[in-house]
Amino acid sequence: GQQLNQSPQSMFIQEGEDVSMNCTSSSIFNTWLWYKQDPGEGPVLLIALYKAGELTSNGRLTAQFGITRKDSFLNISASIPSDVGIYFCAGQLDYGGSQGNLIFGKGTKLSVKP
Amino acid sequence: DTGVSQDPRHKITKRGQNVTFRCDPISEHNRLYWYRQTLGQGPEFLTYFQNEAQLEKSRLLSDRFSAERPKGSFSTLEIQRTEQGDSAMYLCASSLTGHQPQHFGDGTRLSIL
Repeated sequence: GQQLNQSPQSMFIQEGEDVSMNCTSSSIFNTWLWYKQDPGEGPVLLIALYKAGELTSNGRLTAQFGITRKDSFLNISASIPSDVGIYFCAGQLDYGGSQGNLIFGKGTKLSVKP
Repeated sequence: DTGVSQDPRHKITKRGQNVTFRCDPISEHNRLYWYRQTLGQGPEFLTYFQNEAQLEKSRLLSDRFSAERPKGSFSTLEIQRTEQGDSAMYLCASSLTGHQPQHFGDGTRLSIL
């Protein structure tokens, strides 16, 4: 099925570092969302973006909806151990005002530096 | 405020058996979605309901799969004659409307022996 291009695939963090990840698509989306998933659990919503150019923060997390509506990025500032997990971007399709399913990236896996 | 609830959390079954999963959405959420997630991948859309009406089905939803939401509240997803390739995490999500973000349950992990 169709998926978004999410990068990097994985990264190692040291406590206190800032982290950046992004998501690109060949398709235009009207809504971008960022989720975090821990092992054995479902994705948890972090940030939802509804307008091109929109910049939204949730605590140490900041996400932006790209101007072209084909990309989005997520920044995590001053990372802490509990930030470890898999981060997914998702674009929501809009069929003439009736929105339906989400298209997900393959995820960015955040791990702690050994 | 309870979140999306899925039952069972884990299901192990033999190839060829039928399985049924249940999803209870967040109260008063009109939209209910089913996704499938395999290892190392993001969730993939299967189908969604607006109240009791099933409005969209993915190509991934073969004839062996059927979903219902009879009273517009909980939903069930049934897989008939399970195959090895059906092994995956089945996720349910709900949203208040089509324009509101989707909230996910913790999924049902299906393993086919």
